[in-house]
Amino acid sequence: LAKTTQPISMDSYEGQEVNITCSHNNIATNDYITWYQQFPSQGPRFIIQGYKTKVTNEVASLFIPADRKSSTLSLPRVSLSDTAVYYCLVGPVGGYQKVTFGTGTKLQVIP
Amino acid sequence: NAGVTQTPKFQVLKTGQSMTLQCAQDMNHEYMSWYRQDPGMGLRLIHYSVGAGITDQGEVPNGYNVSRSTTEDFPLRLLSAAPSQTSVYFCASRLGRRLSSLTTDTQYFGPGTRLTVL
Repeated sequence: LAKTTQPISMDSYEGQEVNITCSHNNIATNDYITWYQQFPSQGPRFIIQGYKTKVTNEVASLFIPADRKSSTLSLPRVSLSDTAVYYCLVGPVGGYQKVTFGTGTKLQVIP
Repeated sequence: NAGVTQTPKFQVLKTGQSMTLQCAQDMNHEYMSWYRQDPGMGLRLIHYSVGAGITDQGEVPNGYNVSRSTTEDFPLRLLSAAPSQTSVYFCASRLGRRLSSLTTDTQYFGPGTRLTVL
């Protein structure tokens, strides 16, 4: 499994765009990049997944450069409700490999 | 669909007691797993299963047993609870098998069980 590295914590003011970068230098050819969001006292929930270039949904955008050794989760115009821990995972889509989480990035949105 | 359900939501045990945390999913997922999360920490994988009758260890398996007799259920057993097992436990499931039409692979998590061992 590819190891990921992301900042332990970040602060942002409401209304700003937040970018959280994840490093995954040994990503494999068939690996995808997936981000989860976890609010206090809840289980993580899926935000976005991508393989290359850019993926956008109603919640976030995911930017992946050509070498795929890093990725950036972008949250547009954050609000207080975006305060959460964000996890970056790397692995194949489908299949039976175990899924492990790192420590994630704790995002604190400030009024 | 109910998704992933866990019972109980809260539990207090005394050291040495045993108990089973229940987990069920109704999405016909082959892969199920158990994580524990200590205060201020990330999730650590305890055990996982890739189908009925098949289980394997994760990062922190000691003190926990699992079995998978059906696709839907994946209970986690604490044989002799210890204070170090005080934590929040999350069960999760995902499809598991490869499909040519699969473009997104998502883990679905239950609401968690908050366990305190005195």
